[in-house]
Amino acid sequence: GDSVTQTEGQVALSEEDFLTIHCNYSASGYPTLFWYVQYPGEGPQLLFRASRDKEKGSSRGFEATYDKGTTSFHLRKASVQESDSAVYYCALRNTGKLTFGDGTVLTVKP
Amino acid sequence: NAGVIQTPRHKVTGKGQEATLWCEPISGHSAVFWYRQTIVQGLEFLTYFRNQAPIDDSGMPKERFSAQMPNQSHSTLKIQSTQPQDSAVYLCASSLVGGAYAEQFFGPGTRLTVL
Repeated sequence: GDSVTQTEGQVALSEEDFLTIHCNYSASGYPTLFWYVQYPGEGPQLLFRASRDKEKGSSRGFEATYDKGTTSFHLRKASVQESDSAVYYCALRNTGKLTFGDGTVLTVKP
Repeated sequence: NAGVIQTPRHKVTGKGQEATLWCEPISGHSAVFWYRQTIVQGLEFLTYFRNQAPIDDSGMPKERFSAQMPNQSHSTLKIQSTQPQDSAVYLCASSLVGGAYAEQFFGPGTRLTVL
């Protein structure tokens, strides 16, 4: 079945640091890839998505590029802020349901 | 737009009792999804309706769990004879259509605690 692997379970950074969260996937066909962000007490909300090879998704300074060759969709941000502290989920969707990675807790210290 | 509404936000049940969770999707959205979130298992898909019809229930436990969508404005997830391992946050999501690219909008979830 489909699966998503996020390498980092927790990431602790200082403001203005560079962020990378690694995401690799395994799926049949050509899935759409997503990054979701979740704040305490809320449901996940879409950060951005990409549906074809080499497509870059981006929002709020975060970006990721769909790489079918390496089956990856790594999340990056050049300069994180304290307000970026949250849980980040990589996900894929072939048909109806979303398949999520385990999530990465990002903590940014001022 | 109020977003996806889930009620109650918190529910505490005793072991063996029944729990019914409610979801009101965003008006006009044709697809409704249920997920379960726990520390151990993360975010897991449970079931999915499109135009009120059940499409995929591959994530639903075979016993005690059932979901319905009697009309386009709400869906329910029912857990019979709740067990402590059912404790989780249950998330409902809706999307305009059911396709792979469509954004799913999540509600805030119902936190179920089974004592």
